Amino acid sequence: QVQLQESGPGLVKPSETLSLTCSVSGGSVTSGSSFWSWIRQPPEKGLEWIGFVSYSGSTHYNPSLRSRVTISLATSMNQVSLRLSSVTAADTAVYYCARQYCSGGDCYPIFEYWGQGTLVTVSS
Amino acid sequence: DIVMTQSPDFLAVSLGERATINCKSSQSLLYSSDNKNYVAWYQQKPGQPPKLLIYWAFTRESGVPDRFSGSGSGADFTLTISSLQAEDVAVYSCQQYYSTPYTFGQGTKLEMK
Repeated sequence: QVQLQESGPGLVKPSETLSLTCSVSGGSVTSGSSFWSWIRQPPEKGLEWIGFVSYSGSTHYNPSLRSRVTISLATSMNQVSLRLSSVTAADTAVYYCARQYCSGGDCYPIFEYWGQGTLVTVSS
Repeated sequence: DIVMTQSPDFLAVSLGERATINCKSSQSLLYSSDNKNYVAWYQQKPGQPPKLLIYWAFTRESGVPDRFSGSGSGADFTLTISSLQAEDVAVYSCQQYYSTPYTFGQGTKLEMK
């Protein structure tokens, strides 16, 4: 059973960079056909997909955040990382990492496994 | 971006009664090459992450009770809970994975009447 756990600072100052880590257990981040997404949820609002990184390190980002976001694998630590630069109050949200559903060697952006999420507040 | 619009925003249903949540997409989510609808449904309880319930519009995730069912095709989809249980009180969201950026509905809050 795959388990994911997000971690990182709960408070970030405006204009700084938000950095979060997703620690994965019960599976390798580089196992074939695994895709790892970051998704966020502002308080009392809906979910927003941020982007994904594949088992091979390829990435795809939401165009609305592309200029500010980097998602990568830390293979030695079996982790997935998220960096979001130049944050503002609008980036205040619970940030989730999630693993996408794979079947028969094909993976789809169906979010099957989720971490518990971590609240990041942007404030001075 | 594909916009996912759910209705209603809030729904109150009595124990044992049927709950129906609708989701409309701004374009068809039916992929002609495989004849599948690229839509999923999630349940989210307070303080918890979303839980996958349904994908491909009607395929139940393993372990999800059969009182949950999904239906629809093209741009109109429905999540139905046939007989509401107390543990079903939650926010339900639809999601399209037809094209990036993958987008979610605004959520429907389901409460017990």
